[in-house]
Amino acid sequence: QVQLQQWGAGLLKASETLSLTCAVYGGSFNNHYWTWIRQAPGKGLEWIGEIDHSGRTTFAPSFKSRVTISVDASKNQFSLNLTSLTAADTGVYYCARGRREWLRALDNWGQGTPVTVPS
Amino acid sequence: SSELTQDPAVSVALGQTVRITCQGDGLRNSFPTWYQQKPGQAPLLVMYGKNSRPSGIPDRFSGSTLGNTASLTITGAQAEDEADYYCNSRDSTGNHRVFGTGTRVTVL
Repeated sequence: QVQLQQWGAGLLKASETLSLTCAVYGGSFNNHYWTWIRQAPGKGLEWIGEIDHSGRTTFAPSFKSRVTISVDASKNQFSLNLTSLTAADTGVYYCARGRREWLRALDNWGQGTPVTVPS
Repeated sequence: SSELTQDPAVSVALGQTVRITCQGDGLRNSFPTWYQQKPGQAPLLVMYGKNSRPSGIPDRFSGSTLGNTASLTITGAQAEDEADYYCNSRDSTGNHRVFGTGTRVTVL
């Protein structure tokens, strides 16, 4: 049974940096794509980016200049850093596993971390 | 803006069939994945690949793709299927992934 547990600061100020970490329990950490997604209040899902076990990253163009995703395979953890926050970054941030053999289907999700950046 | 377009909302009578569509150029070369999200919950994978369901997803859910349009069909919709549904696939460049705009399904 694979479980993803995420944590990080939920109330930040404009211009600060968001840092979230996601720990993976159970299953193999290798051979999958570790992904971050966010959802603004009342809005749809937004793909932020992913990292594979070797550290290769891919980011959505709208985030590319501000985002870093890193992995610590020794701890079965991966992290998101998003810089230069604005109120538009408010939302729930999810981590998820993109299962390689299922064409990167996001088959396990973290519980979500609400993030607020007051305007 | 999303490169995968979905109808904002659809409704279906209990026990009837509803089809949710997802349209975008990225679908010409990549199968989508589909997610169900209920209020206050993380999304749940319901379909991947050509037409594959994770363990625990009822067989009333099915998927198909033709050209640049993918569909998720619920045959015999149940009250518990009322939720938001999102497709996910590659964007038109093939270099990134993107979610569809989402469809709210109401079961009457």
